[in-house]
Amino acid sequence: GEDVEQSLFLSVREGDSSVINCTYTDSSSTYLYWYKQEPGAGLQLLTYIFSNMDMKQDQRLTVLLNKKDKHLSLRIADTQTGDSAIYFCAETPLERNTPLVFGKGTRLSVIA
Amino acid sequence: NAGVTQTPKFQVLKTGQSMTLQCAQDMNHNSMYWYRQDPGMGLRLIYYSASEGTTDKGEVPNGYNVSRLNKREFSLRLESAAPSQTSVYFCASRAGTGEVRAFFGQGTRLTVV
Repeated sequence: GEDVEQSLFLSVREGDSSVINCTYTDSSSTYLYWYKQEPGAGLQLLTYIFSNMDMKQDQRLTVLLNKKDKHLSLRIADTQTGDSAIYFCAETPLERNTPLVFGKGTRLSVIA
Repeated sequence: NAGVTQTPKFQVLKTGQSMTLQCAQDMNHNSMYWYRQDPGMGLRLIYYSASEGTTDKGEVPNGYNVSRLNKREFSLRLESAAPSQTSVYFCASRAGTGEVRAFFGQGTRLTVV
């Protein structure tokens, strides 16, 4: 079955860039997602990318996909204290109703 | 614009008690999901409903049952709660046709003592 791996912790200084990494195992065409979870809250969808794309940019967020290595990254430019949260990578095959499979999440701590 | 609504937000149960977690979405989505979140474990799928009238087991279904009451509502039932079911439960929905994003509720924080 599908598996999604993430490192558990990342600490950066305010104003620096953050890069959160994820690897996945599904070999079929797939959608890949980044969700953000602030303390005590639900999951907020940040962005998503289809596996035929290499990159997607949305304001401070840049998603890079290396399909050959099954590696996904989320870069947050000019990281702010409000970016402190848990970031989840998730993937789902192209079939429309298949559930999302999540990584364990990366806790990002931003130091002022 | 409510999205996905879960009730209750918090609950404390005694071991052996039963309860039902409610989830409703107002986006006319076909698919609905129940996940649990435990520290260091990420989100694990309990059950899902790909469309109205169907339900399927996920990764961790033991101790739970579900009902897809109609297209809007998908409930999760704990028949005899155990301390191992202490967790945060999230409901999510997804259109399944064209729309690939999945939307989450705010979660139910359940403690079983």
